[in-house]
Amino acid sequence: QKEVEQNSGPLSVPEGAIASLNCTYSDRVSQSFFWYRQYSGKSPELIMSIYSNGDKEDGRFTAQLNKASQYVSLLIRDSQPSDSATYLCAVIRRGSTLGRLYFGRGTQLTVWP
Amino acid sequence: DVKVTQSSRYLVKRTGEKVFLECVQDMDHENMFWYRQDPGLGLRLIYFSYDVKMKEKGDIPEGYSVSREKKERFSLILESASTNQTSMYLCASGERGTVYNEQFFGPGTRLTVL
Repeated sequence: QKEVEQNSGPLSVPEGAIASLNCTYSDRVSQSFFWYRQYSGKSPELIMSIYSNGDKEDGRFTAQLNKASQYVSLLIRDSQPSDSATYLCAVIRRGSTLGRLYFGRGTQLTVWP
Repeated sequence: DVKVTQSSRYLVKRTGEKVFLECVQDMDHENMFWYRQDPGLGLRLIYFSYDVKMKEKGDIPEGYSVSREKKERFSLILESASTNQTSMYLCASGERGTVYNEQFFGPGTRLTVL
């Protein structure tokens, strides 16, 4: 089983809709969770971090974490064509002072006008 | 803002050449990482360093070596470049020893080995 799995996509939503991106992880003691956005040909950009169960909101983005289900998601409200990118989920294991991230393979999102 | 810079955006080398990729960060981060990214394979960790002169192998270290002589600089070395090392190479840096451990990426180097 892969360390981090994401719905493979691609995901296509109309402008203004809510895009929902999902990620599951295998290591129950994972402690820190991140969402990166990567535009085509560019490097990943950190957009959300979440460390506790529940929701964390930042503008149009909401990260949701459920450690019991080993599940983290990213919701993008009022999706815009500029949100079209690949979204990478990443986790850090508890006690990992070396800070190694484990990445999923990403979900490609297209927002059409 | 965190700034991670890489020495080249695009690089073309010949098979058998020794290749140096340089990465510099300005946030005094202890951790630095080298990844490669290929279509369908995602991000794969090559090596990382948690302190000057310290290094750990990642998932795909074969054919690569690294050097960290100064805290802000982390170099990836391809001892004898091969065509299967054609890829996008990404450097990242981050703090060590906190639960947060956010990593920040440089712009990437697209390496082509002919």
